[in-house]
Amino acid sequence: GAVVSQHPSWVICKSGTSVKIECRSLDFQATTMFWYRQFPKQSLMLMATSNEGSKATYEQGVEKDKFLINHASLTLSTLTVTSAHPEDSSFYICSAIGTGYGYTFGSGTRLTVV
Amino acid sequence: QQQVKQSPQSLIVQKGGISIINCAYENTAFDYFPWYQQFPGKGPALLIAIRPDVSEKKEGRFTISFNKSAKQFSLHIMDSQPGDSATYFCAAVASGFQKLVFGTGTRLLVSP
Repeated sequence: GAVVSQHPSWVICKSGTSVKIECRSLDFQATTMFWYRQFPKQSLMLMATSNEGSKATYEQGVEKDKFLINHASLTLSTLTVTSAHPEDSSFYICSAIGTGYGYTFGSGTRLTVV
Repeated sequence: QQQVKQSPQSLIVQKGGISIINCAYENTAFDYFPWYQQFPGKGPALLIAIRPDVSEKKEGRFTISFNKSAKQFSLHIMDSQPGDSATYFCAAVASGFQKLVFGTGTRLLVSP
């Protein structure tokens, strides 16, 4: 089956620094990738949608300058949290779809900003 | 209209019992309805999905029942096991729109 690999699984960073999260589709070409944020005991909140080679489309209320998304190839998308602050601490999850492949989720990244 | 309402918020079932989670939607353009299982600290994993041209789909102990006229669908977990203890999300998507609309989630606890 389709596999989406997400790294790192957890990261701790100091306030004011930037953190990059990678999402790779291992056995299919991901034409579209999605990035979600999930708070404890809540549902997934879509942050942005990215198509390979195009600028990401951000959901309303998501700061595009803080959450930089790059989808440079059909197998890789990255989310960079810039100048992270404690309120950015959360669980971030990517998802990918491709021709013949439905929504496949990564294993998530727990970000803690101290 | 883009919402998917999910209930109950939490559910406790004894081992061997039937777990039932319900979802309702308004947008008649939705044409794909997946269910996801999520364990703590992990991403959601597809459990089972259905399209509106069928009223029921069964895979092992998991069954989706779909009522197109009522715009409702439900997940039934037969012979529930402690290993089924997780959070379950229903979702819906309309062709051409790509974005999954998630329900609010149901935390299932199966007691031994």
